[in-house]
Amino acid sequence: GAVVSQHPSWVICKSGTSVKIECRSLDFQATTMFWYRQFPKQSLMLMATSNEGSKATYEQGVEKDKFLINHASLTLSTLTVTSAHPEDSSFYICSATNSATGVHYEQYFGPGTRLTVT
Amino acid sequence: GQSLEQPSEVTAVEGAIVQINCTYQTSGFYGLSWYQQHDGGAPTFLSYNALDGLEETGRFSSFLSRSDSYGYLLLQELQMKDSASYFCAVREITGGGNKLTFGTGTQLKVEL
Repeated sequence: GAVVSQHPSWVICKSGTSVKIECRSLDFQATTMFWYRQFPKQSLMLMATSNEGSKATYEQGVEKDKFLINHASLTLSTLTVTSAHPEDSSFYICSATNSATGVHYEQYFGPGTRLTVT
Repeated sequence: GQSLEQPSEVTAVEGAIVQINCTYQTSGFYGLSWYQQHDGGAPTFLSYNALDGLEETGRFSSFLSRSDSYGYLLLQELQMKDSASYFCAVREITGGGNKLTFGTGTQLKVEL
């Protein structure tokens, strides 16, 4: 149980275009999902916390107009990278906590999406 | 701000015991988690300490000292498959809810 999927697993796009990444909790409901970015050999950097039915909370330094987050249901959150540039190339990972268990310290991570902007 | 420091690399032989340390400076501390990540893969949860002391889960144990802002992950009977990156992460309670701030990560290499 507690499986999180991401789609696509990798994407290549041209500079200036937008890319949408989906994060789904497959066998549980997630009131809260998180979006991270990870550069090679580096740590996971939290970008934003996505709450179902409300606006996302962005970390300092993350542009909310560039990284649009929508959490329209208890099993789906999307991250849209708008007007992508080569410096946005990274590994984007989402995670979720299981609303039903009340265990908030364990996050279940998706397999990640490798974004390359050319 | 928050900061979590870990050694960048640790090397050990199969069957040995290894300890990965984590020191942190953060506000709103609620607990310390440990995650394992293989190259190109998703982080997976290993353990969580909210109180001082040792938590044991099979071959893995985790320790926390809140007064020292310090914790460690202990891996026993090392296996080749344990070669991965290990991250400590501080759980904080903020206005937006729970969130994790990850450490710098430790690359563990297990050799024969």
